[in-house]
Amino acid sequence: QKEVEQDPGPLSVPEGAIVSLNCTYSNSAFQYFMWYRQYSRKGPELLMYTYSSGNKEDGRFTAQVDKSSKYISLFIRDSQPSDSATYLCASGAGSYQLTFGKGTKLSVIP
Amino acid sequence: EADIYQTPRYLVIGTGKKITLECSQTMGHDKMYWYQQDPGMELHLIHYSYGVNSTEKGDLSSESTVSRIRTEHFPLTLESARPSHTSQYLCASSEGGTGANVLTFGAGSRLTVL
Repeated sequence: QKEVEQDPGPLSVPEGAIVSLNCTYSNSAFQYFMWYRQYSRKGPELLMYTYSSGNKEDGRFTAQVDKSSKYISLFIRDSQPSDSATYLCASGAGSYQLTFGKGTKLSVIP
Repeated sequence: EADIYQTPRYLVIGTGKKITLECSQTMGHDKMYWYQQDPGMELHLIHYSYGVNSTEKGDLSSESTVSRIRTEHFPLTLESARPSHTSQYLCASSEGGTGANVLTFGAGSRLTVL
């Protein structure tokens, strides 16, 4: 079993929809959880990260972690065509290397 | 502006050639990394460095080598390229310390070996 599992999609939604992207993890030692966004032909860029269970909001983006079920989610409200990208979840512990999911490719159709 | 730079962005080369992918960062980060990214696959760590003169192999076996002679510079070298080396190579860096290991990535170097 991979330590971080992510459905690669692709996922296609109409503009304005609420998008839900999900990952599961198996390593109980993971302390923090991140979401990266990667546009085509670019490197990943950090969207947000959180240490604790619960929700963390940043504009239209909400990261949610449920440590009891080892479930990580990213919600995008009022999705825009500019949100079309691949979204990577990642988990880590301390200063050690991150473990990444495969990424979910999202297309927001105008 | 603090950033991380990779060159070349795209490289097409014949089998057996020696190639070096350059990576430089201006943030003064202690830690630097090389990841390999293939379509539909996870990012795989192939090399990392926690400081000058410190290099380690990552989770994914790679025939490439790296060096860290200066804090800001972390080049990756393939002595004899093969078609199996065709991939996207991403360089990243992060601060030292015990907090969350937040990576800053470069734009990537896409290598095609014919």
